[in-house]
Amino acid sequence: DAMVIQNPRYQVTQFGKPVTLSCSQTLNHNVMYWYQQKSSQAPKLLFHYYDKDFNNEADTPDNFQSRRPNTSFCFLDIRSPGLGDAAMYLCATSRGQRGPTDTQYFGPGTRLTVL
Amino acid sequence: AQSVTQPDIHITVSEGASLELRCNYSYGATPYLFWYVQSPGQGLQLLLKYFSGDTLVQGIKGFEAEFKRSQSSFNLRKPSVHWSDAAEYFCAVGARNQGGKLIFGQGTELSVKP
Repeated sequence: DAMVIQNPRYQVTQFGKPVTLSCSQTLNHNVMYWYQQKSSQAPKLLFHYYDKDFNNEADTPDNFQSRRPNTSFCFLDIRSPGLGDAAMYLCATSRGQRGPTDTQYFGPGTRLTVL
Repeated sequence: AQSVTQPDIHITVSEGASLELRCNYSYGATPYLFWYVQSPGQGLQLLLKYFSGDTLVQGIKGFEAEFKRSQSSFNLRKPSVHWSDAAEYFCAVGARNQGGKLIFGQGTELSVKP
């Protein structure tokens, strides 16, 4: 089945130690998104790629970076995780139809713990 | 600015009872509306979406939602709830002129009692 895969499902890191989260997709979608979801809150968009075109949200901290080496893979890098970065990180993809009708499909998420 | 409000943070219903989850949106034009469900520790799954046409939309798992422009609402309903429906439900609106960006409500947690 075509899907969005996130690895690892659970990640523990130390305060200030860089960490990378991975997302891959078999849907061949053009757009990939990264969301941060803190406990009991709505997902918050960090950034997205339309093909190789990177789009950063205005309020995304510089501590968060992303890479998309090819259509299938996208990475979220947290350069110096703080305690406040502990959250569920969700990856999503969409076909890339221009406009708000483009439907997003989500992966299962990576739960990040910062010690 | 676009916004989505889900007035109920937590709802408890008995198994077999009917369910309605409320969603109100603020938007200047025709909205594009979505309902997602999130089981504990999981990602979001699309239940249904409304873009245009028939205002009563059927989704997966027996859910439906009705778009009411006069009330700026897009409430989610299910006639008979199952224990497996216990989850967090998010309403979202697609932001015009911002590609596929979604604006989510705060979510409603649904508990189902036997």
